This record gives sequence, structure tokens and C-alpha cells, in this order.
Amino acid sequence: DQQVKQNSPSLSVQEGRISILNCDYTNSMFDYFLWYKKYPAEGPTFLISISSIKDKNEDGRFTVFLNKSAKHLSLHIVPSQPGDSAVYFCAASDPFGNEKLTFGTGTRLTIIP
Amino acid sequence: DTGVSQDPRHKITKRGQNVTFRCDPISEHNRLYWYRQTLGQGPEFLTYFQNEAQLEKSRLLSDRFSAERPKGSFSTLEIQRTEQGDSAMYLCASSTGTVSYNSPLHFGNGTRLTVT
Repeated sequence: DQQVKQNSPSLSVQEGRISILNCDYTNSMFDYFLWYKKYPAEGPTFLISISSIKDKNEDGRFTVFLNKSAKHLSLHIVPSQPGDSAVYFCAASDPFGNEKLTFGTGTRLTIIP
Repeated sequence: DTGVSQDPRHKITKRGQNVTFRCDPISEHNRLYWYRQTLGQGPEFLTYFQNEAQLEKSRLLSDRFSAERPKGSFSTLEIQRTEQGDSAMYLCASSTGTVSYNSPLHFGNGTRLTVT
């Protein structure tokens, strides 16, 4: 069963506009959520995270929003830049899981110049 | 911080052969994870070490797979009698402790295995 879901395999956004990537989860035990960015032929790189006790975390152009009641989180990138083109993975961790991460299937973001 | 290092970057092998991959974590990281990623999927957890102790293994890790982390430093992942279904990217990650804002998992660039 897919406990972390990213239902949009791909997304194209004009440079300078806002990119919104979505993620849903089913396991109510998850208490920490992370976004990773992956370029081809490289490993995933940590981008931003949020604890379940918060509903928003911001770091520069990146903001993550968490809606616990809906079991939904989103990543906002504004303004989008060409270097943001990559695959973005949502991941979650539960307090009883040895901190291992459960990943979604990823969303390929393409920024159009 | 030199990052997580994995070797080799690519491995092509024939079905039935054994392969071994190596991971060197970030030096002060005591936790080490192996993940596998297939096309169109996110990374899937395989196994986890805290120092030299292997504390968790996924049901994905069949008895053909074995991982070690002698002396709590580098780790090896061996696949015996490889099958075509083993073709994937094998990712290693390390961390200092509890996953948190300041201690996310750091991934290496992976070893891409192709079984022909």
C-alpha cells in the first residue's frame, strides 16, 4: 500500500510563477515530513521539512504547508527558477520507525523559461 | 562534510552473478540506511544500521540480499544470484540521529545496477 502519494507525475510552470507540488498520506502516525529534490544521476537532496506540530515552514523561496486533518501537504516555490527543474519527492517519518523515510513516487517539475 | 560516497556508480552484471556495493557515510553519522529506487517510483527502504548493528530490515530484502557495516563505518550491500528484477538504483543515506529539521537523511548518488 502506498502510504505517501504524489498524484501528479509531472508539472510545468513558467519561470517567475509559483510552483505548487502536492502530497497526500494515509498513515496518521507520521509526525515529520520532508521534501527532497532529485536531479538526474544524483541522489535526492534535502530541501525543507515540517513537523506535525506546525502547519507551515518557510525557507527562502520554499514554503511547506501541512494540513493534518486532510493528511495533505504541499510545497510552494516562488518565484520558480529554471534550476528548480527536477523531480521532487515527498517523504514522511513516524516516531516508531527508526527514522526511516517513506517516499512518494515523485513529481517531475519543469520550469519553462 | 564530503558527503555520502557510493561505489561503483554503475554495475552491469549477468543474471545469477553476485554483486557488492559499498557506501561510505558522512564521517560523524552513526545511522546508515540502504534504499532501492526503480523507474517511476520513490526510494524504498531496505535496511538500517545504527553504528555496526543492523536494526531493521524490510520485507523487500530477500535472503539473497545481505548488508554489513563492520566497525560502524562504511557499509556493503551484497546481492547473490542476481535476477533481472534486481535492476534498480541502490541508494545509501546517513544521518546523525533522529530525523528532524536539523538532521535529515543525506543521500549518496547511488549505484545503478543493471542485470542482463
